Amino acid sequence: DTAVSQTPKYLVTQMGNDKSIKCEQNLGHDTMYWYKQDSKKFLKIMFSYNNKELIINETVPNRFSPKSPDKAHLNLHINSLELGDSAVYFCASSQGGPNGVFGPGTRLTVL
Amino acid sequence: DQQVKQNSPSLSVQEGRISILNCDYTNSMFDYFLWYKKYPAEGPTFLISISSIKDKNEDGRFTVFLNKSAKHLSLHIVPSQPGDSAVYFCAASATGGSQGNLIFGKGTKLSVKP
Repeated sequence: DTAVSQTPKYLVTQMGNDKSIKCEQNLGHDTMYWYKQDSKKFLKIMFSYNNKELIINETVPNRFSPKSPDKAHLNLHINSLELGDSAVYFCASSQGGPNGVFGPGTRLTVL
Repeated sequence: DQQVKQNSPSLSVQEGRISILNCDYTNSMFDYFLWYKKYPAEGPTFLISISSIKDKNEDGRFTVFLNKSAKHLSLHIVPSQPGDSAVYFCAASATGGSQGNLIFGKGTKLSVKP
């Protein structure tokens, strides 16, 4: 009955590979987000989706692309992985307000 | 360019005492502030928030104080319990802010010792 779930929890891959991280929320929230927590521990917004429409797209490389098949899912696809992509990626959802619910995170390690 | 700063990376407190976590911000447009708590291998969990029209908000053992003139907020935990040991993130949002507009600090790791 997890509110926001992410898979996988850990992801280790080689440079140049393409990978995806899945996110699902069962809260009925309208908006979902992807955050990146880098090695300096900063948590920064990457994308958000509201009713299948991208409403925020921060200056992230176009190798990153969010895909939302429905309101309850927001998956993150990453092409041509680079060493600097190693981080913890958090999915979150909210119903308009700023106090969203976060998933447990996916630790991505690029070798 | 850190708009939200948590200058203490860690804090150690004895159980039963008060924990005070501090946060400074630079953007005067911020009008909503939140504290999140994060345990290892879990996502951040919303703890408490405050609007800029208030200077204090209390929820049980947790109180957030906002000093707009100093661009400073603090989270007080009284009494501290071992289960409070976690990383605490301060976050801020500007007018019309949503979850996607939040700017986070780097976090402060709180250790509450029995």
